[in-house]
Amino acid sequence: GAVVSQHPSWVICKSGTSVKIECRSLDFQATTMFWYRQFPKQSLMLMATSNEGSKATYEQGVEKDKFLINHASLTLSTLTVTSAHPEDSSFYICSASSQLAGEGWETQYFGPGTRLLVL
Amino acid sequence: AQRVTQPEKLLSVFKGAPVELKCNYSYSGSPELFWYVQYSRQRLQLLLRHISRESIKGFTADLNKGETSFHLKKPFAQEEDSAMYYCALLTGGGNKLTFGTGTQLKVEL
Repeated sequence: GAVVSQHPSWVICKSGTSVKIECRSLDFQATTMFWYRQFPKQSLMLMATSNEGSKATYEQGVEKDKFLINHASLTLSTLTVTSAHPEDSSFYICSASSQLAGEGWETQYFGPGTRLLVL
Repeated sequence: AQRVTQPEKLLSVFKGAPVELKCNYSYSGSPELFWYVQYSRQRLQLLLRHISRESIKGFTADLNKGETSFHLKKPFAQEEDSAMYYCALLTGGGNKLTFGTGTQLKVEL
């Protein structure tokens, strides 16, 4: 259990276009979803925290108009990179947080990531 | 501000040798720490968390508040342990993870 999927797994787009990445919790409902960005050989950097039905909370330095997050249901969150530029090229990873049956705490379960290349 | 430090980018050991992956943290609150592992071409997955005090795949980690450390240890490394390991600290009211820069563990035959 606790599987998180992301779609697409990779995407190439032209500069100036927008790209939407989906994050789904397949077999559980997620109270909160998170979006991370990872540059090559670097750590995961939290971009924003997303709760179903409310506005996302963005980390300092992350442009909310650039990275639009929608959390329409307890199993789906989307990240839209608007007017993408080459510097937005990166590996984007989502996670979904839940407290599964039998566990006394919440755990973050990670998606496989989406590689974005902006030409 | 919270911070997680993993001083080694790469750790190379021989099969059967002991392993210790270092992690130090800086946090003004009560820390809750995790180790995540990422095998080649796979997603990040939770290895262990300090409050559960488990041993997973032979790995253990003890929280040392005096030294602000949460080092990951295994007495005998196996080839399948080769992976990227991230130490993470739970912050932000209990639901945000701050990750270290990661340590690539390579177990050689």
